[in-house]
Amino acid sequence: DAGVIQSPRHEVTEMGQEVTLRCKPISGHNSLFWYRQTMMRGLELLIYFNNNVPIDDSGMPEDRFSAKMPNASFSTLKIQPSEPRDSAVYFCASSRQYNEQFFGPGTRLTVL
Amino acid sequence: LAKTTQPISMDSYEGQEVNITCSHNNIATNDYITWYQQFPSQGPRFIIQGYKTKVTNEVASLFIPADRKSSTLSLPRVSLSDTAVYYCLVGDIRSGNAGNMLTFGGGTRLMVKP
Repeated sequence: DAGVIQSPRHEVTEMGQEVTLRCKPISGHNSLFWYRQTMMRGLELLIYFNNNVPIDDSGMPEDRFSAKMPNASFSTLKIQPSEPRDSAVYFCASSRQYNEQFFGPGTRLTVL
Repeated sequence: LAKTTQPISMDSYEGQEVNITCSHNNIATNDYITWYQQFPSQGPRFIIQGYKTKVTNEVASLFIPADRKSSTLSLPRVSLSDTAVYYCLVGDIRSGNAGNMLTFGGGTRLMVKP
């Protein structure tokens, strides 16, 4: 099994640009989670999906952030427009229902 | 939400047993206790999960007293490669309320020295 796949692994962009992060969960998993990790705030849950449906997006910082899961094998997290304070490592994780979560390698985002 | 409290950091030496305790005074009846491990530049990795008494797997043991207000992750004979951050999470994995499971907190930074 390939595990959770995230792309890109690193992204450097300028303030105001649109950023799209991608995630492919493990086949057969029906829950998907997006997290953000920074030194200051630690690991924060942004949004999670169950069976492709967003269940809780209360962790999404503001309207500049949006996430979609058009099918069971793909999800995106979009930031538009991006700001320097969005710089962080973004993790995607998947699980069978709400059991053990398997995390991807993360996307390190730098907004200049 | 059940709030967890862990030591910020711990030091140990290779070959020693390490015990990391997590306090969760307001744990609910249906809540489970789960531990994750995170290495630098990687996502967290599941270690162990339990409800009461003791759980053991090939990596660690989890001790949960009768009142369940705390839990202890035990790592036998640690090596340098066990240097990582360890997170304790508490929540009801069967309620469908996944939001209750997903507060990672600050974790415990374990440093294993030679």
